[in-house]
Formats: sequence, C-alpha cells, structure tokens
Amino acid sequence: EVQLVESGGGLVKPGGSLRLSCAASGFSFSRYTMNWVRQAPGKGLEWVSSIGSGGSFIYYADSVKGLFTISRDNTKNSLFLQMNSLRAEDTAIYYCAREKYSDYVPTGAFDIWGQGTVVTVSS
Amino acid sequence: DIQMTQSPSTLSASVGDRVTITCRASQSLSTWLAWYQQKPGKAPKLLIYETSSLESRVPSRFSGSGSGTEFTLTISSLQPDDFATYYCQQYKTYLWTFGQGTKVEIK
Repeated sequence: EVQLVESGGGLVKPGGSLRLSCAASGFSFSRYTMNWVRQAPGKGLEWVSSIGSGGSFIYYADSVKGLFTISRDNTKNSLFLQMNSLRAEDTAIYYCAREKYSDYVPTGAFDIWGQGTVVTVSS
Repeated sequence: DIQMTQSPSTLSASVGDRVTITCRASQSLSTWLAWYQQKPGKAPKLLIYETSSLESRVPSRFSGSGSGTEFTLTISSLQPDDFATYYCQQYKTYLWTFGQGTKVEIK
C-alpha cells in the first residue's frame, strides 16, 4: 500500500524548534518530488516547501523561508522538516505529500498525502 | 506570487444538483491547475490534475475545465459523499498556491 506517515508534532513554546518526519512506503520514494503542506485550525491549505527527488532543488514559501529546512534521506525513505524560531502562526496540521507524475512527467499536483501531524506553538 | 480566488466560499446544494466551483488566478497558469476534496479531520484528496485530468478511482461526475486564469470544477450530480470542502491549487515556476476553499453544504 502506498503510504505516508508523519510524526514529530507536538506542543512547543514560541521561539522553539521541532523536527517533523514523514515515512514513505509502497512506492519508489527516491523518484518523487516531496512536499510539506500545512493547515492552520479552521483555515485553508498552505504549501510550505518542496524538495526534488535527489534533493536537487528545494523551494520554500516566503512565510517560512530562513526558518524551516526541508531534507530527505532516500536510503531510509524519509522526508524531514526542521522548524526553527517557531511562532504562533506556525500552529497547524502539517502534511507531507507526494507530487504526482503522469507518464514520468511532474504534474504539480499532490496525489498521496499523509494523515498529518499537529504542531502547536503556544506559551 | 500568484493569488488564487475561489467562488463561492460556501455553496448550498441538494443531492442530484449540478454544482460548479470557480477558481481565478492572478496570472496565467497554462494548465497547471489541480482540484482537491477535503472532509473534516481528513487529508485532502486529489480529484483533478492538469486542469481536466481525472485522478484514478475518482468518480466521473467530477470534471475540470478552463485555461489561462479561469478554471472550474463541476460535479454533474451531487451525491451525499460529495459534501466537503474543495480547493484549487496552482503550480507555476516552483511555487504552489491554494485557493481559500469552497464548502459544499447540504441545502
């Protein structure tokens, strides 16, 4: 079964750090661009960051640039998000998501999502 | 950054209704537009990619169309399982943006 499972969320004080992980299974993880998307309580979806299949490219939303770092370990089929200097506005469910490929071409859409991990930034 | 504006924000409809949701982009996207369905407490589910391609195992009552800056998601005959929130998403130049969402409610 194709699956993504996030972990590492929790309660952290403003200014603190957290490292999220996403474990992939059931597909060739190393071939896919992977992403983090978040959703604040009662709000819509916000793309956070993307990393190419071999780590060849990395992109961030302006809201997290310089604060968050995305990485991956293809030997362990894992995706990570290091979050530093956390603020209350970073409180959200964080999803990892796989970019869909069609005929080996990236589509820009996200076809596989994890169940999400909750990050709460509060004193 | 490209801004995505969905309309309406909320839609009240009955089972069997034809439903259309619109997504407008602040600049041309070509066909890099996707649609997702999200139910409370669940992760989003991909419905449509590249404007009009139906994701596998998604019912054919869902369809997408459009180009440039205006795109639509149509549900041809609303079913009880379709009451949810729908998001459009654009991809262009290595930045992704979602619309604010459209909640489809039971009338």
